[in-house]
Amino acid sequence: KAGVTQTPRYLIKTRGQQVTLSCSPISGHRSVSWYQQTPGQGLQFLFEYFSETQRNKGNFPGRFSGRQFSNSRSEMNVSTLELGDSALYLCASSLSSGSSGELFFGEGSRLTVL
Amino acid sequence: GNSVTQMEGPVTLSEEAFLTINCTYTATGYPSLFWYVQYPGEGLQLLLKATKADDKGSNKGFEATYRKETTSFHLEKGSVQVSDSAVYFCALIKTGTASKLTFGTGTRLQVTL
Repeated sequence: KAGVTQTPRYLIKTRGQQVTLSCSPISGHRSVSWYQQTPGQGLQFLFEYFSETQRNKGNFPGRFSGRQFSNSRSEMNVSTLELGDSALYLCASSLSSGSSGELFFGEGSRLTVL
Repeated sequence: GNSVTQMEGPVTLSEEAFLTINCTYTATGYPSLFWYVQYPGEGLQLLLKATKADDKGSNKGFEATYRKETTSFHLEKGSVQVSDSAVYFCALIKTGTASKLTFGTGTRLQVTL
């Protein structure tokens, strides 16, 4: 059974640009959540989508957005990139929303903003 | 709000040594508690969990007991191996908060021969 797949794995952008990251959950999983991992702040929750609806959102500015498609695949977008957005962005999937906390994580997309 | 505090790393142990990584939490109500592990270059994997007070989660020789009286969920292993070298994250989730895990800062474990 294929795991959570994130693309691209690595990318470099410059300040002011925007970026879109993609996540394909495990087959049959309907919930996708996103986390930002940085050395200074650790792992922080961005948002969760279930059945194409945002269920919960973390404390990030509006430049961070996401969506989920009918096949449960999800994308997150960061606009007007800042140096501080450099991070590992992790996607996680689960069967349903929030009931157990048992998340299956992808390997992440490492974003570097220059 | 919710928070998780882990002991600072890195923790360096010799193979077959006993491991303890401390974790305490702050939360209202009755959260579920987790340990996740991140091996180099990989995403996080669930190691073990406990959903109510006095529950003991266990997996791959690792154990942690949900102690409500001390708000703790310390991770232990009797004999570590080089392959256990990784970053360990303590986390909690409150019922009804979707998949919003609150993580500790992580503790890096390095096991040497």
